Amino acid sequence: DAKTTQPNSMESNEEEPVHLPCNHSTISGTDYIHWYRQLPSQGPEYVIHGLTSNVNNRMASLAIAEDRKSSTLILHRATLRDAAVYYCILNRDPKAAGNKLTFGGGTRVLVKP
Amino acid sequence: NAGVTQTPKFRILKIGQSMTLQCTQDMNHNYMYWYRQDPGMGLKLIYYSVGAGITDKGEVPNGYNVSRSTTEDFPLRLELAAPSQTSVYFCASSYPGRAGYTDTQYFGPGTRLTVL
Repeated sequence: DAKTTQPNSMESNEEEPVHLPCNHSTISGTDYIHWYRQLPSQGPEYVIHGLTSNVNNRMASLAIAEDRKSSTLILHRATLRDAAVYYCILNRDPKAAGNKLTFGGGTRVLVKP
Repeated sequence: NAGVTQTPKFRILKIGQSMTLQCTQDMNHNYMYWYRQDPGMGLKLIYYSVGAGITDKGEVPNGYNVSRSTTEDFPLRLELAAPSQTSVYFCASSYPGRAGYTDTQYFGPGTRLTVL
């Protein structure tokens, strides 16, 4: 299975942007790039996903490299509520694989007031 | 919609005891999943189901059993609890969209289990 590599932790100041990198050099053509986050003592929650093009939603933006071997999750203005562990996950063809997600260690984001 | 609900929230078991972790979703999702999360680690898939009557093993199925008799419910059974099963257990569900398109998983709040 294709794996992802993320930094263990990152710090940011409140109201500043946060750029979370993810390397996935063995990604295949049908792998979607998903980001989930896990707030303290909660279950993971979906943030954003993409295949080839950059994506934006109300929570974040996802920038995908042209060769798809890396991506960056961008939180435009970090708030204290964004302090969480962020997981970058490759999702294979969901119909074939039952939409299974493989979680790595993620990046722990600390937001300082 | 309540989403994905899990009971109990907390449980302490003695070694060798058995229990069932309950998971229910009200979103009419076909796919359901059980994960465990050990302290400081990512989630690991225990079992999953793509529909009523269909279940399959994930990465760490040993010591667990599941059944899926309805679309809504996906209970996880622990037989002969061991200290290595001390963990936080998360249930999730998703709705399979069109073939070749990806889906979002929705997670429950988790059950914190301690085996002493």
